Amino acid sequence: EAGVTQFPSHSVIEKGQTVTLRCDPISGHDNLYWYRRVMGKEIKFLLHFVKESKQDESGMPNNRFLAERTGGTYSTLKVQPAELEDSGVYFCASSQGVGRKGNTIYFGEGSWLTVV
Amino acid sequence: GNSVTQMEGPVTLSEEAFLTINCTYTATGYPSLFWYVQYPGEGLQLLLKATKADDKGSNKGFEATYRKETTSFHLEKGSVQVSDSAVYFCALWANTGFQKLVFGTGTRLLVSP
Repeated sequence: EAGVTQFPSHSVIEKGQTVTLRCDPISGHDNLYWYRRVMGKEIKFLLHFVKESKQDESGMPNNRFLAERTGGTYSTLKVQPAELEDSGVYFCASSQGVGRKGNTIYFGEGSWLTVV
Repeated sequence: GNSVTQMEGPVTLSEEAFLTINCTYTATGYPSLFWYVQYPGEGLQLLLKATKADDKGSNKGFEATYRKETTSFHLEKGSVQVSDSAVYFCALWANTGFQKLVFGTGTRLLVSP
């Protein structure tokens, strides 16, 4: 069974450009999460989809970030325009149920974004 | 609010040494606690978890006990290997309100032969 896959694995863009990150969750997982780790800091929650609906987007840093999950399958996270402080690793995760005691959340390998 | 505090790294050990990585948390209610690991070039993997007080999670020789009285979930291993070199993240799942994983800053472990 394929795990959570993310694309691209690495991206280097100039300040002011646009980048779109994609996440394919594990098939059948309704819950999809985006997290971000800025260098040396904690992994921070960005948002949570249940199917195609945004359940919680309290962690989105500002309106330069736009996440979508059309059709409730894969998700995209667009940063437009990118700023230097957006550099970091963006993790996507999915789970079958909400990650309660028995439901494991599976993470992808992350998309490493560098803004120069 | 909910938060997790981990000891800063890097932690540098020789092979077969004893490992402790401290983790304390602040949460409302009764969270579930986790340790995730990220090996070089790989994604985050669940290492172990504990869902209630006094539970002990264990996997691959690693252990952590959910201590409600000290709000801690310290990670331990009796004898580390070079292959354990990775970044370790302590996390909690708050079972109230909006439910999501809250992570600590991560602790890098470097094990030398």
